[in-house]
Amino acid sequence: DTGVSQDPRHKITKRGQNVTFRCDPISEHNRLYWYRQTLGQGPEFLTYFQNEAQLEKSRLLSDRFSAERPKGSFSTLEIQRTEQGDSAMYLCASSLVRMNTEAFFGQGTRLTVV
Amino acid sequence: GQQVMQIPQYQHVQEGEDFTTYCNSSTTLSNIQWYKQRPGGHPVFLIQLVKSGEVKKQKRLTFQFGEAKKNSSLHITATQTTDVGTYFCAGLITQGGSEKLVFGKGTKLTVNP
Repeated sequence: DTGVSQDPRHKITKRGQNVTFRCDPISEHNRLYWYRQTLGQGPEFLTYFQNEAQLEKSRLLSDRFSAERPKGSFSTLEIQRTEQGDSAMYLCASSLVRMNTEAFFGQGTRLTVV
Repeated sequence: GQQVMQIPQYQHVQEGEDFTTYCNSSTTLSNIQWYKQRPGGHPVFLIQLVKSGEVKKQKRLTFQFGEAKKNSSLHITATQTTDVGTYFCAGLITQGGSEKLVFGKGTKLTVNP
């Protein structure tokens, strides 16, 4: 297993366009997180899944953001009608539901909205 | 709002000096985890503390979890240039059936050789 992989690594889009990112977690991990990180800040929680169920979504997240994990394996994060303020690194992490275990991060997708 | 606070935001030290970063949560944590992120990289897990008052060591790094399970610290003895990076604490917060990992804003450590 090569760890958590994210695709694409970089995305440049025009304001108003929709974008979709993909995350493939470590195969036996049933918990999957999405975070957003801007320069000089810590990873900001967006949402997380346990298997295919989305258990929490940040209240800071607008309705333009949606995430899915249809079969409890890979996940997608879609941003509709992108804004310049959406420019950030989007990180995916996976872990086991078992208590007390660490999160493994992917390399992230860097989004630039122009 | 931000549930996990971390200070200081930046710390610059001379090589050989000690370094400490502190983490505080507004709520009791199920556990606290520490991560290191190098420039251009992603957060990498360092350690996890679970028990109240727990102390763990990794070579020159000492991690503590407070008695109330609301605060934690990371102390590095005799820093080296390889220690540079941003150190994040992350608290596992359980609320209303949900369990999420919330990160602090991190402490960026620079080491002058």
